[in-house]
Amino acid sequence: DAGVIQSPRHEVTEMGQEVTLRCKPISGHNSLFWYRQTMMRGLELLIYFNNNVPIDDSGMPEDRFSAKMPNASFSTLKIQPSEPRDSAVYFCASTDRDLYSGANVLTFGAGSRLTVL
Amino acid sequence: KNQVEQSPQSLIILEGKNCTLQCNYTVSPFSNLRWYKQDTGRGPVSLTIMTFSENTKSNGRYTATLDADTKQSSLHITASQLSDSASYICVVSAPFSGGYNKLIFGAGTRLAVHP
Repeated sequence: DAGVIQSPRHEVTEMGQEVTLRCKPISGHNSLFWYRQTMMRGLELLIYFNNNVPIDDSGMPEDRFSAKMPNASFSTLKIQPSEPRDSAVYFCASTDRDLYSGANVLTFGAGSRLTVL
Repeated sequence: KNQVEQSPQSLIILEGKNCTLQCNYTVSPFSNLRWYKQDTGRGPVSLTIMTFSENTKSNGRYTATLDADTKQSSLHITASQLSDSASYICVVSAPFSGGYNKLIFGAGTRLAVHP
């Protein structure tokens, strides 16, 4: 398996532009997560999907952020409009167990580094 | 206040030496504690996962310990190699009000192994 695949790996955009990050989870994994990592705050959960349904989106910063999972093999994280403070590395992760099982092990993608000028 | 605190923030050691990274947490109750390794420019990779009843778990040259009474964990790296240079992140899985387990991440310890 190719693991969790994220695109783009790097994105540089100007403030106010729309940004779309993409994720393909590992085949057969039914839980998907979007995380944001910054030097100041470390890794923060943005949203958690189970069986394509958003279970916890309490980490989504504000209405400018939205995430979708139209099917089991694809998810997007969209920021519109983007702001400089959104600059971070965004990780997608998946697991074959839902978070009701404490022993799930997340597999992370390589991340998408976003820079908003 | 961060519920998972790691120390030191950064560490430099010479190749071949041992080192120990610390993790203190205040999360209670918790389901399990994990250590992840994150290479520069990559996503975190799981090293170990321990439930509250486990005291120690090894993965090659990595040995994690857990003291659930004092809420402390450590990650010991033996005979360090240049490839051990990375950030090491302590993660606590805790029951959440939504009925599932939430992962709470520490800020990580950045380890640099020099030749």
